[in-house]
Amino acid sequence: KAGVTQTPRYLIKTRGQQVTLSCSPISGHRSVSWYQQTPGQGLQFLFEYFSETQRNKGNFPGRFSGRQFSNSRSEMNVSTLELGDSALYLCASSSETGSDTGELFFGEGSRLTVL
Amino acid sequence: GESVGLHLPTLSVQEGDNSIINCAYSNSASDYFIWYKQESGKGPQFIIDIRSNMDKRQGQRVTVLLNKTVKHLSLQIAATQPGDSAVYFCAENSGTYKYIFGTGTRLKVLA
Repeated sequence: KAGVTQTPRYLIKTRGQQVTLSCSPISGHRSVSWYQQTPGQGLQFLFEYFSETQRNKGNFPGRFSGRQFSNSRSEMNVSTLELGDSALYLCASSSETGSDTGELFFGEGSRLTVL
Repeated sequence: GESVGLHLPTLSVQEGDNSIINCAYSNSASDYFIWYKQESGKGPQFIIDIRSNMDKRQGQRVTVLLNKTVKHLSLQIAATQPGDSAVYFCAENSGTYKYIFGTGTRLKVLA
């Protein structure tokens, strides 16, 4: 069974640009979450999607957005990039259905560098 | 606000010894906890989980202990091996479709 796949693995952008990151969850998983990982803040929750609906959102500015498609694949977008957005963006999927919490399975992440 | 923290940022242990990594959480409503291991350049990898109706759970060479009275989690690794060197995170879930992660503890295994 393939794991969580994130693309691209590495990317470099300049301030003011925007970026779109993609995540394909484990087959059969309908919950997809995104986390930002930085040395200073650790793992911070961005948002979670289930069946194309955002069920929870973390404390990030509106420049951070996401969506989920009918096949459970998810994308996140960051607009007007700032230097502080440089981070490892991790996607995780879960078989959680809403009635029982399931473990998160993480991808390898997309490392974004903003210059 | 909600937080999950770790007492020791770096833990060095001799190969073959047992390791204990601690974690404090602040949300008494959290009912599910996970320990993750993250190696350099990789995403976090599930180690073991525990629900709030338990106080101990054992896996292969790992044991998680949960003390709800003092809101404390610990991860015990038996016979620590060089391959155990990594950063370990605890995470809590309170049923809001998100996890709160601790800051992480780096485990260094000394030969």
